[in-house]
Amino acid sequence: DTAVSQTPKYLVTQMGNDKSIKCEQNLGHDTMYWYKQDSKKFLKIMFSYNNKELIINETVPNRFSPKSPDKAHLNLHINSLELGDSAVYFCASSLSGLAGAGDTQYFGPGTRLTVL
Amino acid sequence: DAKTTQPTSMDCAEGRAANLPCNHSTISGNEYVYWYRQIHSQGPQYIIHGLKNNETNEMASLIITEDRKSSTLILPHATLRDTAVYYCIVKTGANNLFFGTGTRLTVIP
Repeated sequence: DTAVSQTPKYLVTQMGNDKSIKCEQNLGHDTMYWYKQDSKKFLKIMFSYNNKELIINETVPNRFSPKSPDKAHLNLHINSLELGDSAVYFCASSLSGLAGAGDTQYFGPGTRLTVL
Repeated sequence: DAKTTQPTSMDCAEGRAANLPCNHSTISGNEYVYWYRQIHSQGPQYIIHGLKNNETNEMASLIITEDRKSSTLILPHATLRDTAVYYCIVKTGANNLFFGTGTRLTVIP
C-alpha cells in the first residue's frame, strides 16, 4: 500500500491556467506538507497543515493555496500559472507535526509540473 | 535550524561500506540529526535519525560524535541501488526540513 500518494505524476499546462495537485496519506498522520524542488534541485517547504489547520506558510505567492478537506488529504491549488512554477512538487506527512524534533516526515513520489 | 556541511560527491565500491560525513558544528541540544536520500528525482526517502546516541536500523547506522558537532551515515554494504543524493538535516521542533545540497553518492560496480 502506498503511504503517501500524489496525483497526477506529470502535469503539463499553459501559462495562465489554474491547476490542482492532490495528495493523500494512509498513515493516520496528523500533519501534511508541500515542498517544491526547483530546477537546481533545491527542496524547500511551502506549507504545513496540522489537523486541517495551516501551521507553516513560507514565502509563497498567493496564487498557491493549499486545501485540506480532511487530515488525510492536502491538495495544492495553483492559480494563474507562471513559467517559474515549473518544478517538482512533493507532498509529505508526519505523525504529529508538533514541536517534537523526532517527528519523521514521509514523502510522496512527486508531481512534475511543466508550465509552457 | 542549524546548518550542515556535506561533501558534494563521493564514490563507493559495490559491497563496501559507504561512510557519509556531515558537519553540524552549530547544533543545539534539542536538535535531531536526520538523514534522507533522494534517488533520481523520486521523493526523499527517510533513512535514520538520532539525537545523541548512535542508531542502527535495517537501512543504515548513524554515528554521532560525543560533542554532536558531526555525524556519519554508514551504509554497511553499498549496492548500486544506493546511488542517490544523501541529505543530512538538523531539525528543531519546527517542522520544515531544510534540505541543503547533500552528497551525491555513486556506487561503482
